[in-house]
Amino acid sequence: AQSVSQHNHHVILSEAASLELGCNYSYGGTVNLFWYVQYPGQHLQLLLKYFSGDPLVKGIKGFEAEFIKSKFSFNLRKPSVQWSDTAEYFCAARPTGTASKLTFGTGTRLQVTL
Amino acid sequence: GAGVSQSPSNKVTEKGKDVELRCDPISGHTALYWYRQSLGQGLEFLIYFQGNSAPDKSGLPSDRFSAERTGGSVSTLTIQRTQQEDSAVYLCASSRSSSSNQPQHFGDGTRLSIL
Repeated sequence: AQSVSQHNHHVILSEAASLELGCNYSYGGTVNLFWYVQYPGQHLQLLLKYFSGDPLVKGIKGFEAEFIKSKFSFNLRKPSVQWSDTAEYFCAARPTGTASKLTFGTGTRLQVTL
Repeated sequence: GAGVSQSPSNKVTEKGKDVELRCDPISGHTALYWYRQSLGQGLEFLIYFQGNSAPDKSGLPSDRFSAERTGGSVSTLTIQRTQQEDSAVYLCASSRSSSSNQPQHFGDGTRLSIL
C-alpha cells in the first residue's frame, strides 16, 4: 500500500536558520508529489508540486523541494526561515495517471522563533 | 466562490446523533474529496467524487458514514449514530479534474466534536 512518511514531527528553528523537512514515500510506480502548508487557523494551501522533469521544484515563499527517485524522497527546503513560516507542513503523494486520493504524511509542525 | 466552502465550521453534538457536513467546491471543479484529520494524525482519505459518482469510497470507516454529491457541485457527508472516535476535522477538497497532476484545493474544514 502507498504510504508517506515524515520523520520530523516537530521542528524548532530560529529566524534565518535553514530548513529541511524530510519526506519519503513508498510506492512502486511513478508518483506525483506535493507539499501543503497549514498556517495557524487557516486551510491547507499548496506549497509546491512535482509531476515530472526537473527534480528540483520551486514553490511559493522561497520554498523548494528535491525529488530523489533513488531515495524515494521529496524533501522540503528553505535557505532562511522567517517567523511567518511557523505552520504545519504536509507531504502528499498520489500515483501518476490515476484518479486517486492523495496519501498524506502525518505532518511536521515548524515553529520559528525570533 | 473563490475557494472551497465548508459548513458548519464547528459542530458539537451528542453521541448517537446524526450529523451532516456540507462542502461547496470551487465552481467548475469536477472532482471532490473528503478527508478526516484527527488529533496527531495526518489526513485520512474518506471518499472521492467525480461528478456525482463516487469511484472510490474505500476510506469510509464504517457504514455509519455516507456521502452524496448532487448537480456535480455540493456534497454532503453524513455520519449516523455518531461515536466519540468520530471527533475530528473533516476536510473537503476539490480539483479541476481527477487527473493526478491537478492539485487539490482545500476548505477550512468542519471541526466535529462528539460529547
